[in-house]
Amino acid sequence: LAKTTQPISMDSYEGQEVNITCSHNNIATNDYITWYQQFPSQGPRFIIQGYKTKVTNEVASLFIPADRKSSTLSLPRVSLSDTAVYYCLVALRGQNFVFGPGTRLSVLP
Amino acid sequence: DTGVSQDPRHKITKRGQNVTFRCDPISEHNRLYWYRQTLGQGPEFLTYFQNEAQLEKSRLLSDRFSAERPKGSFSTLEIQRTEQGDSAMYLCASSPEAHGYTFGSGTRLTVV
Repeated sequence: LAKTTQPISMDSYEGQEVNITCSHNNIATNDYITWYQQFPSQGPRFIIQGYKTKVTNEVASLFIPADRKSSTLSLPRVSLSDTAVYYCLVALRGQNFVFGPGTRLSVLP
Repeated sequence: DTGVSQDPRHKITKRGQNVTFRCDPISEHNRLYWYRQTLGQGPEFLTYFQNEAQLEKSRLLSDRFSAERPKGSFSTLEIQRTEQGDSAMYLCASSPEAHGYTFGSGTRLTVV
C-alpha cells in the first residue's frame, strides 16, 4: 500500500506554474521524499528528492514543511511536453519504492 | 554507459509459453529492482537485488516467476507458463547505495 496520497489528475495551461501536493501523514523520521515523472511507454524518470525545507534543481522545486506530512512539487512555466504522470514516493534512501496511481497532469495550449 | 537497458522492448507470446527478459543496469549501481506496471496503474514492486543477492520478493512474484542476477551485473526475469494476466510492462531500475532509482524503458509483454 502506497504511503502517499496525491490528486488523481490536474489540468494546466502552457506557461503556468503547476503545484502538485502530496500527503504523507505517516512519514518516518528517516524517509526521503522523491518525485518521478512518467511518459507513456517509458519508465519513470527521477525529478527531485528532498528531506526537509526546500530543494531546487533545473527542472523543479520541492517544498517540504517542517512537519514533513506533505510536500509540494512545483513545476515552473509548464509546456505541453510536461504532460505526464507524476509520482510522489516516500521511503528510506535505497529502500523499495511503493508507487501509488500518481497524478496525471495535462498541459493544455 | 548510457543508462539502464532492457531487452526486448516488446514481446508477444502465446499463453503457456516461457519468456525471459534481460536488464543491464548502470555499471556502478549495486542495487537492481524489477517492477511490473499495468495500464493506468503505478509500477508494482516485484523483486530486488543487492549485487548478486536477491533480498526481497513481492507476493506478486508467484512461483512461475524467477529472477537472477549472476555476478551482480545484468539480471534476467523469467516467466514460465505465461497467462494473459501477465500482460504488462516490466520495468527494471538500478540505484547506487542510497539514491533515487534510474529506470529502463521497460519490456512490454503481451500474452495472447
